[in-house]
Amino acid sequence: AQSVTQLDSHVSVSEGTPVLLRCNYSSSYSPSLFWYVQHPNKGLQLLLKYTSAATLVKGINGFEAEFKKSETSFHLTKPSAHMSDAAEYFCVVSDGSSNTGKLIFGQGTTLQVKP
Amino acid sequence: GAVVSQHPSRVICKSGTSVKIECRSLDFQATTMFWYRQFPKQSLMLMATSNEGSKATYEQGVEKDKFLINHASLTLSTLTVTSAHPEDSSFYICSASKVDRARDQPQHFGDGTRLSIL
Repeated sequence: AQSVTQLDSHVSVSEGTPVLLRCNYSSSYSPSLFWYVQHPNKGLQLLLKYTSAATLVKGINGFEAEFKKSETSFHLTKPSAHMSDAAEYFCVVSDGSSNTGKLIFGQGTTLQVKP
Repeated sequence: GAVVSQHPSRVICKSGTSVKIECRSLDFQATTMFWYRQFPKQSLMLMATSNEGSKATYEQGVEKDKFLINHASLTLSTLTVTSAHPEDSSFYICSASKVDRARDQPQHFGDGTRLSIL
């Protein structure tokens, strides 16, 4: 069965410093992995996706994530945080057992960016 | 591309009212749409998977007679919360996939509907 664990419920950084949001997954299949961002009272916006191509995936707004099979990790990083990055971030794996396109969500990480 | 529009963004109504929420894919055809519910400070909970022209598939514990889903066209799915009560108050989000049954295709999300039942 697939599952996703976001290791930090809350991350606080100063503006201009690096961001690291950690995610580990469990999957019996070759996983498709995604990172989404949610601003308050909004839907989710796709930041990036991994679908068995390059292991280092570049996304929007300067974010990137590296797929590490040996560590079953898909951590999200950004070199320099901006105030507008403050939001909720979800690591997501596609449910490969059913091919219905269902997604399995992590519990989310709240990113706080301090001035 | 891949814009999903959800309407209304906010609803406040009395207990016992039925509320319809629309989810539209504006620039692509969506054979599969998903409906989620999100409680404060929590992750998204999948309620049901909606396929165009067929009955929705509900997740365990979701009352299909309470949450009616209709996916009548390739660009529109609706969720009707029937006889809503305060415990139905929540943030409801829809999403859509461009390609049918493709697990590596991302879902594109609407902006959600804040439902408040008095």
